[in-house]
Amino acid sequence: LAKTTQPISMDSYEGQEVNITCSHNNIATNDYITWYQQFPSQGPRFIIQGYKTKVTNEVASLFIPADRKSSTLSLPRVSLSDTAVYYCLVGAPPLSGGSYIPTFGRGTSLIVHP
Amino acid sequence: DVKVTQSSRYLVKRTGEKVFLECVQDMDHENMFWYRQDPGLGLRLIYFSYDVKMKEKGDIPEGYSVSREKKERFSLILESASTNQTSMYLCASTVGQYYEQYFGPGTRLTVT
Repeated sequence: LAKTTQPISMDSYEGQEVNITCSHNNIATNDYITWYQQFPSQGPRFIIQGYKTKVTNEVASLFIPADRKSSTLSLPRVSLSDTAVYYCLVGAPPLSGGSYIPTFGRGTSLIVHP
Repeated sequence: DVKVTQSSRYLVKRTGEKVFLECVQDMDHENMFWYRQDPGLGLRLIYFSYDVKMKEKGDIPEGYSVSREKKERFSLILESASTNQTSMYLCASTVGQYYEQYFGPGTRLTVT
């Protein structure tokens, strides 16, 4: 299973764009990249998933370079309510040759200041 | 909306007790997961199940067992609770292994 590395913490201010990078040097051909957000005392919430290039939804964008050894979650114009822990996961469904075990790791604690 | 419910938000048990944590999902998902979350350690997978009566060990299965008799219900069992099992326990379900996981609200278990 591809191991991921993220910064432990990040600080930002309201209105700024935040980019959180995840390294996954041994990502496999069939692996997808998925990001989750977790607020205190709640379970994680799916944000975005991608395989290559760029994916955008109403919440965030995900940038994946051609070699797929890293990915960047981009949060546009953050607000105080974006203060949370963000997790990067890499893997694939078993039917496509991936591993069974999803690994969340420690995530990145983002603090947005007024 | 997908709903994943857990039997208790807070639970206090004594060392040596048998503890059952129940998780129910209402979206007919094949896959269900149990995690524990501890400060500084993130989420760690205990067990998961990809079908009724099927189970697979995660990263930290020691001291735990699971049961999945019905598709919508996945139970985590602590046969003899110990203080090092004090933690937040999170249940999740998904239609596929790496598709969107839906999490329950969590059970904060304290073993004294």
